[in-house]
Amino acid sequence: DTEVTQTPKHLVMGMTNKKSLKCEQHMGHRAMYWYKQKAKKPPELMFVYSYEKLSINESVPSRFSPECPNSSLLNLHLHALQPEDSALYLCASSQGFLAGTDTQYFGPGTRLTVL
Amino acid sequence: GENVEQHPSTLSVQEGDSAVIKCTYSDSASNYFPWYKQELGKRPQLIIDIRSNVGEKKDQRIAVTLNKTAKHFSLHITETQPEDSAVYFCAASHWGISGTYKYIFGTGTRLKVLA
Repeated sequence: DTEVTQTPKHLVMGMTNKKSLKCEQHMGHRAMYWYKQKAKKPPELMFVYSYEKLSINESVPSRFSPECPNSSLLNLHLHALQPEDSALYLCASSQGFLAGTDTQYFGPGTRLTVL
Repeated sequence: GENVEQHPSTLSVQEGDSAVIKCTYSDSASNYFPWYKQELGKRPQLIIDIRSNVGEKKDQRIAVTLNKTAKHFSLHITETQPEDSAVYFCAASHWGISGTYKYIFGTGTRLKVLA
């Protein structure tokens, strides 16, 4: 399996809702990432997990809460989001820093709309 | 802070012609430079990458060159085809020994190949 999968594909939520985005990979990768991509803009790194530990948090608001239950799964918990948080949320994975490579493979993304 | 400049923002070429996209990075610690192709509504897909110890890499119609001294790298696509039409992103990356991690995307180039 050489793919990163994400669910759901689309999500519409109100500002008071709590929802979660899910990401899964079965490539044995030990680094996983969350990105946010607005229309016609490049992806922006949000979080990095390395060996199931949060290693990078790019000053993301606390209404976004990542979780890495195991080496194959990555979640992003959403709570009290704002309309400006509407975007495509991309998950990616790579072999990890200790492997000496950080070629990232992206999932298809979750298109999030906050009303 | 660190950034990656990418030019041009849009590029139109006739089918069969070559296309060149250029990126300049600011962080001298960057040591990995991938290029991604993103079609509308799809995930970014890695098309070629280069590491800082290599000056040039080629894969069929696609090539990347790196000039570390000048801190710039370029994507070259020869014999362009309509299916090459997409947005192309460069990126500059490095893992720091102290645990820092940077994976910064350029602003993107919209390539149109005219049949």
